[in-house]
Amino acid sequence: EDQVTQSPEALRLQEGESSSLNCSYTVSGLRGLFWYRQDPGKGPEFLFTLYSAGEEKEKERLKATLTKKESFLHITAPKPEDSATYLCAVQGDNQGGKLIFGQGTELSVKP
Amino acid sequence: DGGITQSPKYLFRKEGQNVTLSCEQNLNHDAMYWYRQDPGQGLRLIYYSQIVNDFQKGDIAEGYSVSREKKESFPLTVTSAQKNPTAFYLCASNHRDRGYEQYFGPGTRLTVT
Repeated sequence: EDQVTQSPEALRLQEGESSSLNCSYTVSGLRGLFWYRQDPGKGPEFLFTLYSAGEEKEKERLKATLTKKESFLHITAPKPEDSATYLCAVQGDNQGGKLIFGQGTELSVKP
Repeated sequence: DGGITQSPKYLFRKEGQNVTLSCEQNLNHDAMYWYRQDPGQGLRLIYYSQIVNDFQKGDIAEGYSVSREKKESFPLTVTSAQKNPTAFYLCASNHRDRGYEQYFGPGTRLTVT
């Protein structure tokens, strides 16, 4: 069964304290892995798409990496405005365009 | 500006009433999706449509209905048969071909009492 598991469920950091969020997945034929940021009461905002193992994408303090089993979202020197829930999703060969989402990691960055 | 709009942002209904949530996109996307989000449960797919006049059930379609008469519009009706309709509803769209990211609207929070 295709599935996505994110860890930890919640992460509290001090401003400037770098860390990583994990997204483990099992899918038949990965077509794409997607990272989103979601602020409370708002729709998810697209961050990155990764297609194959070894690929990396960066945006400001965020860097996403991909292996055959998992993806990491590295946050370097985070700021309070990085506080949000980060969602990971995958699309596989058998899903007809649908995405499977993880439960998300709630990140809180304190000044 | 291109994007996805959902209206209204907040919606209140009495139990037993049907209610329709609006979703419009001007991104020229082929596919559109409806998700439900509850605390601690992530996003769950209700219905999706990859082409006009065609749609498929997602994982939790019971108690919901949709239509896709225009490429730009994908309204969701929450019927009185939905046992627990209070939730945050999200609409998304993307190009039909595989590997394309979905873009989300701002969401509608529905409260049924």
